[in-house]
Amino acid sequence: DSGVTQTPKHLITATGQRVTLRCSPRSGDLSVYWYQQSLDQGLQFLIQYYNGEERAKGNILERFSAQQFPDLHSELNLSSLELGDSALYFCASSVGERWGDQQFFGPGTRLTVL
Amino acid sequence: AQSVAQPEDQVNVAEGNPLTVKCTYSVSGNPYLFWYVQYPNRGLQFLLKYITGDNLVKGSYGFEAEFNKSQTSFHLKKPSALVSDSALYFCAVRDPQLDQLIWGAGTKLIIKP
Repeated sequence: DSGVTQTPKHLITATGQRVTLRCSPRSGDLSVYWYQQSLDQGLQFLIQYYNGEERAKGNILERFSAQQFPDLHSELNLSSLELGDSALYFCASSVGERWGDQQFFGPGTRLTVL
Repeated sequence: AQSVAQPEDQVNVAEGNPLTVKCTYSVSGNPYLFWYVQYPNRGLQFLLKYITGDNLVKGSYGFEAEFNKSQTSFHLKKPSALVSDSALYFCAVRDPQLDQLIWGAGTKLIIKP
């Protein structure tokens, strides 16, 4: 158990809908990272937050947004969903903001868009 | 552009034999290199990292990796494979300009009894 929790575990929704994925980092970790893992794209970094502020941006679509709250949990919002958004979404956390730190991954949320 | 390559989609090894999972990288400056493992239906787990120091890095579960600057490689190794090592292995390198990790495509390791 990494100490990172993600809810829900599974999510099934329809095209055009909006969903919110939730992540709670390990106790003491200030950075949260969001990743998308799909069969055709592999593991893609989406966005990083550190202590409530956006720190780094990867291949995140404009339809997607995220935030980190004062209690350090984070939410990833996916809107106008398309079939191609079906994937496993991981959250990870680390102590610091630098990318040399070990990241601890949550179990993931499997999103299915029908 | 910074990049990382895992040239093998899948590696098959018999239990008890040594295993190697390959990773090569291209990055400006000194690389930060990582290996993570993903077991079925689980999130990724950190195995080891190289930032500086000894070229041979020891990690979790008996794995080690050798940093080779001249060959720009960071291959993951284990002297004696276990069936429980079967998983998906990811190599990653830190992009110093973006300060992000660039991930390899992953290598599926299958250990046969």
